[in-house]
Amino acid sequence: KAGVTQTPRYLIKTRGQQVTLSCSPISGHRSVSWYQQTPGQGLQFLFEYFSETQRNKGNFPGRFSGRQFSNSRSEMNVSTLELGDSALYLCASSLSKVQGEVSNEQFFGPGTRLTVL
Amino acid sequence: QQQVKQSPQSLIVQKGGISIINCAYENTAFDYFPWYQQFPGKGPALLIAIRPDVSEKKEGRFTISFNKSAKQFSLHIMDSQPGDSATYFCAASIPGNQFYFGTGTSLTVIP
Repeated sequence: KAGVTQTPRYLIKTRGQQVTLSCSPISGHRSVSWYQQTPGQGLQFLFEYFSETQRNKGNFPGRFSGRQFSNSRSEMNVSTLELGDSALYLCASSLSKVQGEVSNEQFFGPGTRLTVL
Repeated sequence: QQQVKQSPQSLIVQKGGISIINCAYENTAFDYFPWYQQFPGKGPALLIAIRPDVSEKKEGRFTISFNKSAKQFSLHIMDSQPGDSATYFCAASIPGNQFYFGTGTSLTVIP
């Protein structure tokens, strides 16, 4: 089985621009989560999508948004980029079924390295 | 507020030694406790995981010890090798796959 794939792997943007990152989960996985990883803050949960619906949300401003398509692929968008948004953005997929079920293994992609100048 | 507290921040171990990384949590709703290994430029890779009804799980040289009453769990790497040099993250999840991560431990194994 192919793993989680993320595109692009690297991005350089300037302040004020917007960016869209893409994630393709492992085949059969319907849950996709997004994380921001920085040296100072570690791995911070952004949001989780399941069956095209945002199921969980972390503590990030509204500039960070996402969506999931019917094939479980997911995109994450950051508008009005700030210097502090420079980070590794990680996507993870999981064989999740319904809300409230026991947690399952989560598998990460290689990440998209975003640099904001 | 950090839901999962991890220590130490960095660790240097001699080849063949035992590496021990500790994590503590408060939320008793957590039902799944994984450990991830991350190499530079790569995403975290699932190493080993445990559920709260088990006190210990071993896979090869990696062991998780889980103390439910103390709300602590730890990763033990036996016979540590230079190839184990990486950053290790503990995590905990509430049902429904909402994960909280520790801040990471940078492990260096000296030959």
